[in-house]
Amino acid sequence: EDQVTQSPEALRLQEGESSSLNCSYTVSGLRGLFWYRQDPGKGPEFLFTLYSAGEEKEKERLKATLTKKESFLHITAPKPEDSATYLCAVQGRGGSQGNLIFGKGTKLSVKP
Amino acid sequence: DSGVTQTPKHLITATGQRVTLRCSPRSGDLSVYWYQQSLDQGLQFLIHYYNGEERAKGNILERFSAQQFPDLHSELNLSSLELGDSALYFCASSRGAGGLFYNEQFFGPGTRLTVL
Repeated sequence: EDQVTQSPEALRLQEGESSSLNCSYTVSGLRGLFWYRQDPGKGPEFLFTLYSAGEEKEKERLKATLTKKESFLHITAPKPEDSATYLCAVQGRGGSQGNLIFGKGTKLSVKP
Repeated sequence: DSGVTQTPKHLITATGQRVTLRCSPRSGDLSVYWYQQSLDQGLQFLIHYYNGEERAKGNILERFSAQQFPDLHSELNLSSLELGDSALYFCASSRGAGGLFYNEQFFGPGTRLTVL
């Protein structure tokens, strides 16, 4: 069964304090791994897609990396506006193709 | 703004009732996915339509049904509502059918359903 586990559940950082969020996954043939940002009461906002181990993508203060078993979302010098829940999801080749299997997210709080 | 629209934003109803949630995908997207988000379960896949045809079902209850119309908008129908159906319901759209390409899903703002 496809599964996604995110850690930590919550992370509190001071402004400028860099850190990483972890996403561990098991999937029957990875089509893609996706990172989303979700603000309270809003829909998830697409950030990155990673397709193969070794791939990296960057956007402003965020950098996503992928290995065969996990993905990391590195946040460099975060600002208070980076506070949100970050969701990781995988899309596998088997079962219900197309749909995303989501982790429960990491709630990030950045204090000024 | 993702380009995906959902109506209504909020819905308050009573147990046993039936409601319809509506979703319009981004221009050019042929796939619509429905997800349910509750505090304890996270985002759970319900159902996927591609160009009017059902492609996959997830953890969707028999009391729930959906369809995608020729103009590609989709509706999710929830009937015989129970207290436990209270949740945020999101639709997402993508250009592809769930194959190798164009799989990024863009989410709408959601409909918050409260069953009293």
